Amino acid sequence: AQSVTQLDSHVSVSEGTPVLLRCNYSSSYSPSLFWYVQHPNKGLQLLLKYTSAATLVKGINGFEAEFKKSETSFHLTKPSAHMSDAAEYFCVVRAGYSSASKIIFGSGTRLSIRP
Amino acid sequence: DTAVSQTPKYLVTQMGNDKSIKCEQNLGHDTMYWYKQDSKKFLKIMFSYNNKELIINETVPNRFSPKSPDKAHLNLHINSLELGDSAVYFCASSQVRGTYNEQFFGPGTRLTVL
Repeated sequence: AQSVTQLDSHVSVSEGTPVLLRCNYSSSYSPSLFWYVQHPNKGLQLLLKYTSAATLVKGINGFEAEFKKSETSFHLTKPSAHMSDAAEYFCVVRAGYSSASKIIFGSGTRLSIRP
Repeated sequence: DTAVSQTPKYLVTQMGNDKSIKCEQNLGHDTMYWYKQDSKKFLKIMFSYNNKELIINETVPNRFSPKSPDKAHLNLHINSLELGDSAVYFCASSQVRGTYNEQFFGPGTRLTVL
């Protein structure tokens, strides 16, 4: 069975400080893992993805995530937060590579940036 | 050009009505999806179609009926709308080919049932 847990429902950081959004997953198969961002009243945009290549994945807007199999984690980080990073972030796990593979979204983490 | 488009963006209707939401993608993808996002931002997959065939059908009331006239379109028809159907509905598409399977999302349709 697959599941994904985003450990924090809300994270607040000051502008210019590091961001850490935590995600743990479980999957019976080799998972694909994704982070999506949703700005207020907008659709979801892919930030980055892990698909069994390099364990450190770089995404857009300076975000990156590291796949740690031993910890079943895929935490999202950014060295320096910007006001425009304020949004909802979703960690997603997909088990398998077929069109019928189950897709599970985490419950989301709201990132707030303090000036 | 918008990759995944949905219409309408907003939909306000009375309980008991029937309504449709349309989705189109111009990415040439073979798989399309409908998601429901509730007021707590929780996203749940409802349906998935691959090459016009239904492949994922989560526990969704049969008042919800997806229709895929071709690979580029996946419409969602909802009969006898209920208050609990109020949510944001997202359409998405992907090309499931090996590890290249990320989804591209539409802008969402905010449905309000009064």
